[in-house]
Amino acid sequence: RKEVEQDPGPFNVPEGATVAFNCTYSNSASQSFFWYRQDCRKEPKLLMSVYSSGNEDGRFTAQLNRASQYISLLIRDSKLSDSATYLCVVNRGSYIPTFGRGTSLIVHP
Amino acid sequence: NAGVTQTPKFQVLKTGQSMTLQCAQDMNHNSMYWYRQDPGMGLRLIYYSASEGTTDKGEVPNGYNVSRLNKREFSLRLESAAPSQTSVYFCASSEAGVIDTQYFGPGTRLTVL
Repeated sequence: RKEVEQDPGPFNVPEGATVAFNCTYSNSASQSFFWYRQDCRKEPKLLMSVYSSGNEDGRFTAQLNRASQYISLLIRDSKLSDSATYLCVVNRGSYIPTFGRGTSLIVHP
Repeated sequence: NAGVTQTPKFQVLKTGQSMTLQCAQDMNHNSMYWYRQDPGMGLRLIYYSASEGTTDKGEVPNGYNVSRLNKREFSLRLESAAPSQTSVYFCASSEAGVIDTQYFGPGTRLTVL
């Protein structure tokens, strides 16, 4: 099993839809979790950290399920500008983070 | 405040040539990283520098060397480029380590013929 797995998609949704992505991780000792967004041919940028109790930032909600070893990202009221690749990052507390391969989201009119 | 800058943006090399990718950050961050991103492979850590004066291997260090020149600058050197090193290279920095937010540079697109 890969250390961090994401469904590559693409997820093709209409504007205004709600969409959710999961990211599973294999190492139960993982300590911190993030979602990054990467636009085509651009650098990744932090979207949000993922806290144990779950956290929300506007239309975006991130959750962590330690028992089942996955994190999730929920996007409500999708905008065209949300089209991007979403990368999950899992850190084991060392200096070597593990990036998922990304989930592609396409929001269409 | 430029954040993380990388030079060059694009480079084409012939097999066996050498080159150095430059990275600089102006956020006074302690830690810096070099990644490569290949289609379908995600981001993989090549080398990192936890703090000025230290460097360590990441997941895919073979064929690369690094220098943490000072707190601001972290360079990546390809001594003898191979086609397998064709990739997009990203430099990143963070204040205190990978548990912290990483800020990425715009990337260098390298092709080795």
